This record gives sequence, C-alpha cells and structure tokens, in this order.
Amino acid sequence: DADVTQTPRNRITKTGKRIMLECSQTKGHDRMYWYRQDPGLGLRLIYYSFDVKDINKGEISDGYSVSRQAQAKFSLSLESAIPNQTALYFCATSDPRQGNYEQYFGPGTRLTVT
Amino acid sequence: SQQGEEDPQALSIQEGENATMNCSYKTSINNLQWYRQNSGRGLVHLILIRSNEREKHSGRLRVTLDTSKKSSSLLITASRAADTASYFCATSLPNFGNEKLTFGTGTRLTIIP
Repeated sequence: DADVTQTPRNRITKTGKRIMLECSQTKGHDRMYWYRQDPGLGLRLIYYSFDVKDINKGEISDGYSVSRQAQAKFSLSLESAIPNQTALYFCATSDPRQGNYEQYFGPGTRLTVT
Repeated sequence: SQQGEEDPQALSIQEGENATMNCSYKTSINNLQWYRQNSGRGLVHLILIRSNEREKHSGRLRVTLDTSKKSSSLLITASRAADTASYFCATSLPNFGNEKLTFGTGTRLTIIP
C-alpha cells in the first residue's frame, strides 16, 4: 500500500463550488505539505503543517484553506473554485528528525474547474 | 517567483549516453535536492546535497554544487529508457528551515531506445 494517498485522484467541478482534497499518510511523519503544479512549472507550496497545531501559509495560499485533522490527515479546501485553480495537486510528508529532509509525495489529484 | 531554474528545459538523448541537467538558484541555500517525476505522477526524491558539500554520488547519479555560482548539476550516467521523466531541483532557504522547499521549473528528459 502507498505510504501517502490522495483522494480523489481526478475531479471535475464547476466554478463557485466548494471542494476538498484529502491526504492521508502512514509514514508517521509530522510534517505535511500541499503543492500545486501547473504545466511547464515546478511545484508551488500552498500550505504546510509541522504538526497538528502548527499550520502555515506557503507561497500561494490565497483561495485555499487547510485542515490538519490528525497527524496522518491533511486536507486542502477550495472554498469557491475558480478556473485558474485547475492544476495538479500534490500532498507530501517529511520527517527531519534524522537530518533527512527528503519529502515523500502522494500520487496527485488532477483538478479541473470549468 | 521560482527560486530555481533548470537548464535545458528539455533534453533528448540516446539510451546509454550520459544526461546532464543544470539548476541555477537566486539566494543562499541550506541544501539542494533533486527529484524525478514520471509523467503526471508524484515526485520521487533522488539525492540531497548540503551547502557545504561539493559533490555527491548515488548509483548512476552524480550531483555537484557550486555555491559561488549558485548552481547545481545532475549527471545521469549510462541512461536507460526508464530514466525518461522530468527532473526538478528544490532548494531550502536558510531563513525558512530545511523542510520548506522551493522547486525549479524542471528539465524534461527523454531517453531514446
């Protein structure tokens, strides 16, 4: 089973709808991240969480909110989706306690806003 | 804005040849990582090099870091068809902790069988 899972894998929604993307991990990591990827661009950080009570905005947080329900779960919400939020969304985790700053990525959610 | 930019944007080589891609960044870093992304899938970590290191090896991968030029290179030797993917560099900045990464725009590598 995959260590970092994302649901749904694909989603088409209409402008103005509220949508939630979910991420779960079995790695036991405290750090979790949400990124978006647009064609031809690298990943851009939306939000990150160092533990359940520590949530921080990333580079492009406008229009998004997050919830860290438990150590293993980190959800991303689009309160009112707009077409330019069409992108590939990735969740990631890390555990820097051993000096390892590698991030582990989920398979991604392809979101289309029409 | 992107901290890192990869060069070239796209690269096609014959199987068995070596592939070199470069990453330039703008500000001082704590460390630099390279990731691979197969089409439409999640990124996979390849290698991390710290700011006080100049070269690192992992299997067929060789990474160099030149902090004076703010650049890094990733060399894949004896390329295979399975190496076809996009490759991204990612930097962590001194003021933001090692876990907050800024990704470059990527190099799309195609290995021709």
